[in-house]
Amino acid sequence: EAGVTQSPTHLIKTRGQQATLRCSPISGHTSVYWYQQALGLGLQFLLWYDEGEERNRGNFPPRFSGRQFPNYSSELNVNALELEDSALYLCASSSLMYGSEAFFGQGTRLTVV
Amino acid sequence: DQQVKQNSPSLSVQEGRISILNCDYTNSMFDYFLWYKKYPAEGPTFLISISSIKDKNEDGRFTVFLNKSAKHLSLHIVPSQPGDSAVYFCAARDTGTASKLTFGTGTRLQVTL
Repeated sequence: EAGVTQSPTHLIKTRGQQATLRCSPISGHTSVYWYQQALGLGLQFLLWYDEGEERNRGNFPPRFSGRQFPNYSSELNVNALELEDSALYLCASSSLMYGSEAFFGQGTRLTVV
Repeated sequence: DQQVKQNSPSLSVQEGRISILNCDYTNSMFDYFLWYKKYPAEGPTFLISISSIKDKNEDGRFTVFLNKSAKHLSLHIVPSQPGDSAVYFCAARDTGTASKLTFGTGTRLQVTL
């Protein structure tokens, strides 16, 4: 069974541009989480989608947005990129059943120059 | 508001000895706890979990202890191996509200020869 897949693996953008990151969850998982890991920092929660709806968002500006599609895949969009947006962006999926852990993808390394 | 805290950003342990990683939480509604291990440039991988109805869960060299009254959990690795060198994240969930996973900031474990 395929795990969580993220694309692209690496992305280089210039300041002010927009970046779109994609995530396909494990089959049967309805929840998708997005996290940011900047260099030397822990996992910062960005967004949580479940059943197509945004359930929660972290302490990030509105230029970080996303959506979840009917097939439960998800996109993270970052507008007006800033240098400090350079980070590893991780997507995780889980079901909401008790005892279910979240499975992570390999991440997208976004570099803003 | 950091609801899950890992106060030690790093830990160095000699090979063969015990590694103890600690995690504290503030939300009394959390009832399911997980540990993840992360290598550089990879997504976190699930390690072990514990339900709030237990105070200990063991899986091979890994044991997680939960002290609900102290809102504290710890991960013990015995014996520590060089391959255990990674960043360890604890995470918590309030399954009653089907909430998102909340992660700590991580502890970098270095197992030395």
